[in-house]
Amino acid sequence: AQTVTQSQPEMSVQEAETVTLSCTYDTSESNYYLFWYKQPPSRQMILVIRQEAYKQQNATENRFSVNFQKAAKSFSLKISDSQLGDTAMYFCAFIVPNAGGTSYGKLTFGQGTILTVHP
Amino acid sequence: DTEVTQTPKHLVMGMTNKKSLKCEQHMGHRAMYWYKQKAKKPPELMFVYSYEKLSINESVPSRFSPECPNSSLLNLHLHALQPEDSALYLCASSQDRWGGPTDTQYFGPGTRLTVL
Repeated sequence: AQTVTQSQPEMSVQEAETVTLSCTYDTSESNYYLFWYKQPPSRQMILVIRQEAYKQQNATENRFSVNFQKAAKSFSLKISDSQLGDTAMYFCAFIVPNAGGTSYGKLTFGQGTILTVHP
Repeated sequence: DTEVTQTPKHLVMGMTNKKSLKCEQHMGHRAMYWYKQKAKKPPELMFVYSYEKLSINESVPSRFSPECPNSSLLNLHLHALQPEDSALYLCASSQDRWGGPTDTQYFGPGTRLTVL
């Protein structure tokens, strides 16, 4: 079974600073996708960034970047130049493509990290 | 355009009511999902549809009845709900290639359901 662990229930950062959210996962699969989703107080779940496990290069999207360590099964999210609009709950998630049986289409989420950006 | 729409945004219903939630996507995705989310918790998968056929039912009570009338539309019919069913209900969609959902799931804004 796949599991995703986010060890930081809450974090805070000052505006314009950098913050890193941690995520570890456990799987016996070699091919999988990892995601960070953001859910602001409006409750819309928004994709922040995606990483394919077979790609060694870390994904980046503007101010958001990941540190993907496949051997350590670690997938942290770095937010640079934090903005007030980054205040949200962040979920790390994992999916095995083409999984069969009960894992079909199943996105496994971590418990989430509440990030607050202070002015 | 990565948009999934859901209606209504808010719904209040009594335990004897029958209501429906609607989800629509026009991204050509062939996999669609219903999730239930309680406050400050991750979403919990309820149902997965692939090519308009129900592929996964995560042991959801029969008072929740999903329906996929076509590739763009997903409904969730509600009947005789309990107060503990109050939650945010999220719809998502993704590509379905090579026999299974492989790609990124895009979420709608959700329907906040309150059962009195």
